[in-house]
Amino acid sequence: QVQLVESGGGVVQPGRSLRLSCAASGFTFSSYGMHWVRQAPGKGLDWVAVISYDGSNKYYGDSVKGRFTISRDNSKNTLYLQMNSLSDEDTAVYYCAKVNGDYVGPFDYWGQGTLVTVSS
Amino acid sequence: DIQMTQSPSSLSASVGDRVTITCRASQSITTYLNWYQQKPGKAPKLLIYAASSLRSGVPSRFSGSGSGTDFTLTISSLQPEDFATYYCQQSYSSPCSFGQGTKLEIK
Repeated sequence: QVQLVESGGGVVQPGRSLRLSCAASGFTFSSYGMHWVRQAPGKGLDWVAVISYDGSNKYYGDSVKGRFTISRDNSKNTLYLQMNSLSDEDTAVYYCAKVNGDYVGPFDYWGQGTLVTVSS
Repeated sequence: DIQMTQSPSSLSASVGDRVTITCRASQSITTYLNWYQQKPGKAPKLLIYAASSLRSGVPSRFSGSGSGTDFTLTISSLQPEDFATYYCQQSYSSPCSFGQGTKLEIK
């Protein structure tokens, strides 16, 4: 069955960096677009970034553009999110999510999420 | 960017009630509209895609309708496990965007 397992979250000081990973299994990872979506405590869902199935197309939300980088390693079935210049507004649970297509479409599977806390 | 607006933000209902949640897009998204259910501490789950297609395994009491800019999610007879927060999301164009959520609570 499809599994998405995020890791790499934790407590980080403002201005520092963190890299999240999402290990995928149970499907042909290299055939599907992947997204990162975040949720601040007590708030709604906030789309972060998307990468196409082959990594050739990447798009970012305005709030993370220029600071975050999405990437993937299809040989390792793993999605990444490099987060730089973190601020307290980036504190959230970060989910990776699979789309049933190239890079757009409904999110048919989600990971369990990893919590990132930005605090001094 | 396309803005998604849900109403109401919260809703109190009883087991067995029929409830409807509305989602409006700031421009036409044809039928590129999806609905998710999220329970506390859990990841969202896809319920409805392409405005009205029920995901496999989702109970038939859930249904979706609409096209263009106005959409609805209907739960025909609320069950105890349906009390959760519901989000709409447009997948018509990037950046994709979510509604602010509707929290469905027990009356």
